[in-house]
Amino acid sequence: KNQVEQSPQSLIILEGKNCTLQCNYTVSPFSNLRWYKQDTGRGPVSLTIMTFSENTKSNGRYTATLDADTKQSSLHITASQLSDSASYICVVRGGTASKLTFGTGTRLQVTL
Amino acid sequence: DAGVIQSPRHEVTEMGQEVTLRCKPISGHNSLFWYRQTMMRGLELLIYFNNNVPIDDSGMPEDRFSAKMPNASFSTLKIQPSEPRDSAVYFCASSPPGQLSVKEKLFFGSGTQLSVL
Repeated sequence: KNQVEQSPQSLIILEGKNCTLQCNYTVSPFSNLRWYKQDTGRGPVSLTIMTFSENTKSNGRYTATLDADTKQSSLHITASQLSDSASYICVVRGGTASKLTFGTGTRLQVTL
Repeated sequence: DAGVIQSPRHEVTEMGQEVTLRCKPISGHNSLFWYRQTMMRGLELLIYFNNNVPIDDSGMPEDRFSAKMPNASFSTLKIQPSEPRDSAVYFCASSPPGQLSVKEKLFFGSGTQLSVL
């Protein structure tokens, strides 16, 4: 069964600190992996999309890594800001005609 | 660009009532998706349309749920009769042509928070 598991479930950090969110998946065959940011009361917004051949991708203070061999991805947030407080969802697509498999997300809270 | 527009933002109804959720995709997008999000299960695909045609409705939980897309700029998700376990946030998303197969980028609406009492 295709699954995407994220850890931790929730995280609280101080403003300015770095953090790393984890995503493990069992989706096969693998097509691509994406990270979404979802603010409270809003829909998810895409941060990065990574294919099999990409093992690092950055979007400002967000850096995603992908290890297709171990089926793991991470999202690293540098110098966190209050506006980073949100849920971060890892999503994996299998073969080209398959559905997306969503993780349940990591809830990040950045505090003063 | 106004983005994907969903209405209503919040809906509170009593068990047994009919609920209709509405979605206007981004102009020019030809794929439309309905998702349901709960704390326990995260985001789940209910149905998706391509060029107004339902392609995959295997995620629709049961016959109480139905979805239509009468034209490229409008879709509805209907629940009749509604039950308390249908309480969730329902998202509509759209995707531009040519991006459905591999690197499609979904653009989500702000969702409808449904509470069935």
